[in-house]
Amino acid sequence: SAVISQKPSRDICQRGTSLTIQCQVDSQVTMMFWYRQQPGQSLTLIATANQGSEATYESGFVIDKFPISRPNLTFSTLTVSNMSPEDSSIYLCSVAVSSTDTQYFGPGTRLTVL
Amino acid sequence: KQEVTQIPAALSVPEGENLVLNCSFTDSAIYNLQWFRQDPGKGLTSLLLIQSSQREQTSGRLNASLDKSSGRSTLYIAASQPGDSATYLCAVRQYNQGGKLIFGQGTELSVKP
Repeated sequence: SAVISQKPSRDICQRGTSLTIQCQVDSQVTMMFWYRQQPGQSLTLIATANQGSEATYESGFVIDKFPISRPNLTFSTLTVSNMSPEDSSIYLCSVAVSSTDTQYFGPGTRLTVL
Repeated sequence: KQEVTQIPAALSVPEGENLVLNCSFTDSAIYNLQWFRQDPGKGLTSLLLIQSSQREQTSGRLNASLDKSSGRSTLYIAASQPGDSATYLCAVRQYNQGGKLIFGQGTELSVKP
């Protein structure tokens, strides 16, 4: 299994500002994922972050809005840039454990944009 | 394009009942299917993973089945308890999609004492 922590757990931000969310895993993993869960909705993949390469973004998500860093095999950050109220969501990071194909999720960051 | 649907959207049962949650997907070419539990305002907890070659997986009171040809999976919960109250999500992973999970909308389960 994998134990994942995220910081911050929640934040309230002003429109137009940016927030960086950190994701730390207790073991080295190749693939890390960032998901968004809008209020009352299910999860949607934002991007896949592999160490040593540029993140791969899903349709509808762009690097200028959601820049991602992946400096090593246990850590990643997601920045939500120039925020608007529509960005209010829970942001979750996830890792895939290759030995079992199981994906594990962090506790999430609850973001409210005013 | 893969679409995942979960029925019902919400379910309320008395404690002790056995229950079944349903998940259907439109593209049967899946790599695996995973069931998660999400408590309000929290992250996801992995419950069971079924590989495409498997028919079912069991963990304690939980049993998940997979019928790829019909595009269906069920999560069976035996002897439900109030602590089982949560939202249950199914997600499919497809081949050549780099580990991306496609989620259903979830079933919100409430078990009444």
